[in-house]
Amino acid sequence: EAQVTQNPRYLITVTGKKLTVTCSQNMNHEYMSWYRQDPGLGLRQIYYSMNVEVTDKGDVPEGYKVSRKEKRNFPLILESPSPNQTSLYFCASRGLRGDNQPQHFGDGTRLSIL
Amino acid sequence: AQSVTQLDSHVSVSEGTPVLLRCNYSSSYSPSLFWYVQHPNKGLQLLLKYTSAATLVKGINGFEAEFKKSETSFHLTKPSAHMSDAAEYFCVVSDRDNQGGKLIFGQGTELSVKP
Repeated sequence: EAQVTQNPRYLITVTGKKLTVTCSQNMNHEYMSWYRQDPGLGLRQIYYSMNVEVTDKGDVPEGYKVSRKEKRNFPLILESPSPNQTSLYFCASRGLRGDNQPQHFGDGTRLSIL
Repeated sequence: AQSVTQLDSHVSVSEGTPVLLRCNYSSSYSPSLFWYVQHPNKGLQLLLKYTSAATLVKGINGFEAEFKKSETSFHLTKPSAHMSDAAEYFCVVSDRDNQGGKLIFGQGTELSVKP
């Protein structure tokens, strides 16, 4: 089954404690992306990657890091989390053949930073 | 730059009545447009996409959307609402200016369906 898998689904942690949210896709997609969803703001892109070792900032990259060492994985790293990073996070992937290829989303990771 | 505006933050309908979720977009050229649905505690699921092949696009679960270039609109409709349609809906445009097809999301419309 084609899917994007995020872990963990839920996490409560404290300010300053480094955390990583993993994302893996099994569709051999080149493009992967991270979004955060906040009430009234829709989804906003944090970082994206066009392929292995190619990453770039989205609209709200501050406080986040990513890496793309393998095609299937695209972890999101919060080196020193702060309460304003409390949000619902989604990883997505898509193939790059054509601009109207839909993105496939994971089920989301709800982070609470105390 | 492209943008999307969903004109209603919340829509409430009775079961069996029509659904209309409104979306306007701004784009400097022919856009790629999508509607996604998000059920509680779930990820986003693609309902339909506009590919420029036809202005009336049929999606899953009986939903349709019509691309109207003159009105820069891409409204989502369904003839008869079902209780299971209660969810949040996002109108999305693909940004082809750069970033290989970044998605620009509207703010979302929450659909409630009353029995």
